[in-house]
Amino acid sequence: GAVVSQHPSWVICKSGTSVKIECRSLDFQATTMFWYRQFPKQSLMLMATSNEGSKATYEQGVEKDKFLINHASLTLSTLTVTSAHPEDSSFYICSASPGAGDEQFFGPGTRLTVL
Amino acid sequence: RKEVEQDPGPFNVPEGATVAFNCTYSNSASQSFFWYRQDCRKEPKLLMSVYSSGNEDGRFTAQLNRASQYISLLIRDSKLSDSATYLCVVTPNTGNQFYFGTGTSLTVIP
Repeated sequence: GAVVSQHPSWVICKSGTSVKIECRSLDFQATTMFWYRQFPKQSLMLMATSNEGSKATYEQGVEKDKFLINHASLTLSTLTVTSAHPEDSSFYICSASPGAGDEQFFGPGTRLTVL
Repeated sequence: RKEVEQDPGPFNVPEGATVAFNCTYSNSASQSFFWYRQDCRKEPKLLMSVYSSGNEDGRFTAQLNRASQYISLLIRDSKLSDSATYLCVVTPNTGNQFYFGTGTSLTVIP
């Protein structure tokens, strides 16, 4: 099956720093990538939909200036959590879809802990 | 009303049991349907797509009922390794938006 990688898999940072998370589709081109956040024992929450070469579409309640998304190529999207605070600590998961209506393939996730 | 609704469970069943989950969706024009499995602290992984005529993959059977707007997942002869959270996913007829259910937690007990 299609493979999606994420880096880093685990990050601990101090409050106020910015953290960048990379999501790559390794063996297919992904016009669209998705960023999710998941708190313990809760469901995935879609943060934004990222289309290559255009601005991301953010879900209601997600601050676009706080969570910067860049989708520079058909195989790479990045999420930058700016000025991270402890409440941003969560499991961030990206996914990529080869085409509209196709299944999503998920990255392994990035566990962010902000001290 | 939520796009997708699932019974969160938890479902605790003995090994060898048959268990079924349902998931309802609100948009009658929804086009694609999937079941994903998520293990604790891991990413979701596609379990199976759901086709209009229903489909089976080993011990797993997925069905779609468009009239009542729900999809189901049946697991036969449950194994300990089936313990996980099962997420249903529905996509509308346009665009790439995916709607996830909140997930149903399954624990298979020895």
